[in-house]
Amino acid sequence: DGGITQSPKYLFRKEGQNVTLSCEQNLNHDAMYWYRQDPGQGLRLIYYSQIVNDFQKGDIAEGYSVSREKKESFPLTVTSAQKNPTAFYLCASSILRQHNEQFFGPGTRLTVL
Amino acid sequence: KNQVEQSPQSLIILEGKNCTLQCNYTVSPFSNLRWYKQDTGRGPVSLTIMTFSENTKSNGRYTATLDADTKQSSLHITASQLSDSASYICVVSGRNQAGTALIFGKGTTLSVSS
Repeated sequence: DGGITQSPKYLFRKEGQNVTLSCEQNLNHDAMYWYRQDPGQGLRLIYYSQIVNDFQKGDIAEGYSVSREKKESFPLTVTSAQKNPTAFYLCASSILRQHNEQFFGPGTRLTVL
Repeated sequence: KNQVEQSPQSLIILEGKNCTLQCNYTVSPFSNLRWYKQDTGRGPVSLTIMTFSENTKSNGRYTATLDADTKQSSLHITASQLSDSASYICVVSGRNQAGTALIFGKGTTLSVSS
């Protein structure tokens, strides 16, 4: 069953803690992306990666970090430096970054207590 | 500045009725435009993708139109169903200094009631 998965679905974090969100895809896609979604706002790009061991900052990368050690996996770490981390986080993948449809995962809702 | 504006922000209709959602963009150069459906608490799912030369594209009860001259797109939903209740997001693909960029609209929240 091909697709893109994210875990966990819900995540709670205390202030000052780092937390890592998982994203895995078995679509053999080259590119992967992380977005943040806040109520009443459009999706905003945090980081993206077009190939293994390479990734680029998006529009709101501050307070976040990523790694791309495997083609299938693109974990996102929300660090304590992120001032307002409570949000819905979406991971996506595509064949190529340009001109192709992005397939989204089911999302992770992060709440900072 | 590349922008995508969607209207209305929210919409309530009765089951079985039709509705039209609007998307205006100022993205240049334009590559393509996509409509996504996002159920509450889920990831967006693609409905249609339209390139510069396409005027109309259908996917079941969903019909998207594109007027590249006026930079407007619409998504028409026919004979709405309760399962159509969701957020509909317009996404335009353009280019910025870093390469290709996707510009997301804020979405229209549709509620279909019985």
